[in-house]
Amino acid sequence: DIVMTQSPDSLAVSLGERATINCKSSQSVFYTSNNKEYLAWYQQKPGQAPKLLIYWASTRYPGVPDRFSGSGSGTDFTLTISGLQAEDVALYYCQQYYSTPRTFGGGTKVEIK
Amino acid sequence: QVHLVQSGAEVKTPGASVKVSCKASGYTFTSYGFSWVRQAPGQGLEWMGWISIHNGNTEYAQKFQGRVSMTTDTSTRTTYMELRSLRSDDTATYYCARESGYGGNKNYFEYWGQGTLVTVSS
Repeated sequence: DIVMTQSPDSLAVSLGERATINCKSSQSVFYTSNNKEYLAWYQQKPGQAPKLLIYWASTRYPGVPDRFSGSGSGTDFTLTISGLQAEDVALYYCQQYYSTPRTFGGGTKVEIK
Repeated sequence: QVHLVQSGAEVKTPGASVKVSCKASGYTFTSYGFSWVRQAPGQGLEWMGWISIHNGNTEYAQKFQGRVSMTTDTSTRTTYMELRSLRSDDTATYYCARESGYGGNKNYFEYWGQGTLVTVSS
C-alpha cells in the first residue's frame, strides 16, 4: 500500500497570510503513460463531507478559489492557501489514486491565528 | 447538478449487518463508478472499496474483504454498501463518493454524499 504522510498535523495562520501543507507518498504516484501525478487534495469543514479541491496534483477543481494551489511531483506535494480566509478553516487531506487501495494522508487542521 | 443523497443514521448491535444506500441524480448514472469511504469519529478517511456502475465490477480494500459488499440498482440510480459482522470499531460516518470516471481505480472522488453515521453498540 502507498502510505501518505502529511505535515504538519495542524497549523494556525493569520487571516490573509499563507498556509502551506505538505504531503509525501511512500512511492511515486507519477504515471509515465500520461505524464500525470495521481494526487488529489480535499477540504473537509466541520460536520461536512469532504470536497475536492485539486486533482492531478495541481489542477484546481471548477469553482475552487484561485487562492488554493497544488504543486509537487513524484513523492512530494504541497497545497498552498495564499491569503487565508475565515471560511478556509477546515481539515485538508491528500490522497493518491495511483493504485489500490487508494490511500489518504492523516489530515492537516488549518485554524486562524 | 450532481446530487448524492445517502440513507439515514443507523444504530446496530455487534455482529449485525448494515446496508447504506446512495441515490444519485444529475448525470448519466452508468458513466461513473462509486467508492465508499469511512471516517471514524475524530479520525481520518479510509477507502473501503469501489464499484463500477457500468458493469458491476467491484474491488474491496483487503481490510474489508469478506465483510463488505457493494451493489447497484441502475433502475433507481442507487448504489449500496453492506457491511456485515459489525464491531464497535466500525462506528463511523460512511460516505459514498462518485468517481471521476468508470474505467478502473485510477480515479479521484469528484462528488460526495452527505454521509451516514453508523453506530455499533451493545
